[in-house]
Amino acid sequence: NAGVTQTPKFQVLKTGQSMTLQCAQDMNHNSMYWYRQDPGMGLRLIYYSASEGTTDKGEVPNGYNVSRLNKREFSLRLESAAPSQTSVYFCASSTTSGGWTGELFFGEGSRLTVL
Amino acid sequence: AQSVSQHNHHVILSEAASLELGCNYSYGGTVNLFWYVQYPGQHLQLLLKYFSGDPLVKGIKGFEAEFIKSKFSFNLRKPSVQWSDTAEYFCAVTPTDNYGQNFVFGPGTRLSVLP
Repeated sequence: NAGVTQTPKFQVLKTGQSMTLQCAQDMNHNSMYWYRQDPGMGLRLIYYSASEGTTDKGEVPNGYNVSRLNKREFSLRLESAAPSQTSVYFCASSTTSGGWTGELFFGEGSRLTVL
Repeated sequence: AQSVSQHNHHVILSEAASLELGCNYSYGGTVNLFWYVQYPGQHLQLLLKYFSGDPLVKGIKGFEAEFIKSKFSFNLRKPSVQWSDTAEYFCAVTPTDNYGQNFVFGPGTRLSVLP
C-alpha cells in the first residue's frame, strides 16, 4: 500500500521555468492538499481539493495552480518559478467517508530549488 | 482565521529527561487539535489528536497532550524521551465545522535527544 506518492522528490529550476509536481493517493480519499514547508514557518496550505472537480485557495496560493485530475491525483503547477518558491512541498490526503478521523496522510515531500 | 504558536524553536534534551512542548492557538470557535511528528528523512505522521471529551489524550510512542480550553493550549508531553524521539514536532488546529479543509500548522519545534 503506497499511500501518498509525490514526484519528483528533488528538482532544480531556473527563475521563470515552469514545472508540475504530481501527487497520487491510493486510499480512496476525497480530500487532497498541497502544503509548502519553510524553516521556522511550519506548513502553509497552498491549495486544497475537498472532492474531485473542486479546488480552493489556501493561505499562500499566489504563483501556483492546481488540477484535481481525478479522485486519485492532485497536481501543483508553477507557471513561472521564482526564488521565493524554493521550498519543500508536501501533498496530503484525508477522508470524510465513514466519519472524519482528522488525520492527514502525507507524501514524502518534494524539495524544489529555484535559482 | 486561526493561528498556532509553538513556544520553542529547538529543544535539546538528554535521554530519560522529561519533555513538554508548548502549543497555543488563536481561534474564536471550537477546534480539533493535533500533534504531528516528522522524523529525519520521513514524512509527517499523526502523533495524537483531540476532538472532544477527556482533555488528556494519549498517542503513539508514549506521548500525551492536554487540552486546556481556558488557556487555548495543547501541550505535548512525554515522561522520558529516547534518542529515537529526535524529530520535528508540529502542532495543528482545524475548526470543528469544516472537516479539515483548513488545517493550520504551527512553526514546529525541533527536538534533539542526546544519547
